[in-house]
Amino acid sequence: QKEVEQNSGPLSVPEGAIASLNCTYSDRGSQSFFWYRQYSGKSPELIMFIYSNGDKEDGRFTAQLNKASQYVSLLIRDSQPSDSATYLCAVANNFGNEKLTFGTGTRLTIIP
Amino acid sequence: GAVVSQHPSRVICKSGTSVKIECRSLDFQATTMFWYRQFPKKSLMLMATSNEGSKATYEQGVEKDKFLINHASLTLSTLTVTSAHPEDSSFYICSARKGGVYEQYFGPGTRLTVT
Repeated sequence: QKEVEQNSGPLSVPEGAIASLNCTYSDRGSQSFFWYRQYSGKSPELIMFIYSNGDKEDGRFTAQLNKASQYVSLLIRDSQPSDSATYLCAVANNFGNEKLTFGTGTRLTIIP
Repeated sequence: GAVVSQHPSRVICKSGTSVKIECRSLDFQATTMFWYRQFPKKSLMLMATSNEGSKATYEQGVEKDKFLINHASLTLSTLTVTSAHPEDSSFYICSARKGGVYEQYFGPGTRLTVT
């Protein structure tokens, strides 16, 4: 079982709709969760991080964390064509391990 | 802010030569820097973790004598690809982490082509 799993997509969403990206992780000791956006040919850019169960909102982005289900998601409201990218989920276990474990990413395409 | 730069952004070298890539944190002191490699349409692969003033910790399967990492200060880490071969052609990305937090901020990446 992969440590961090994401559906590779592609996920196609009409412009203006809500895009929902999902991620599951296997290590119950994981404490910190991150979403990165990566445009083709570019490096990842941090969008959001979440540490506590529940929702965290930042503009059009909402991260949702459910530690009991080992599930973290990213919602993008009012999707724009510029949101088309690969979204990487990353997890840290915070117990002296500085590394992030990345999922393979979900490719999102916003259809005008 | 948390800005990380990399230099060069793109490099072409001949097989057998060495290439040095610099990673700098511009507006913060990075307690830890990381080096990743990414092949086309593949996910990030962590190569090594680097702490200032100490030896880098390499991931399994990454040759430390081929990929030399030096972390001389809290704002600069370098990766030297020694005796490069065409199979080393890839997108090399560094990231940096501030003390006390776990999020990593990525540099823009260096695209290496070995001919």
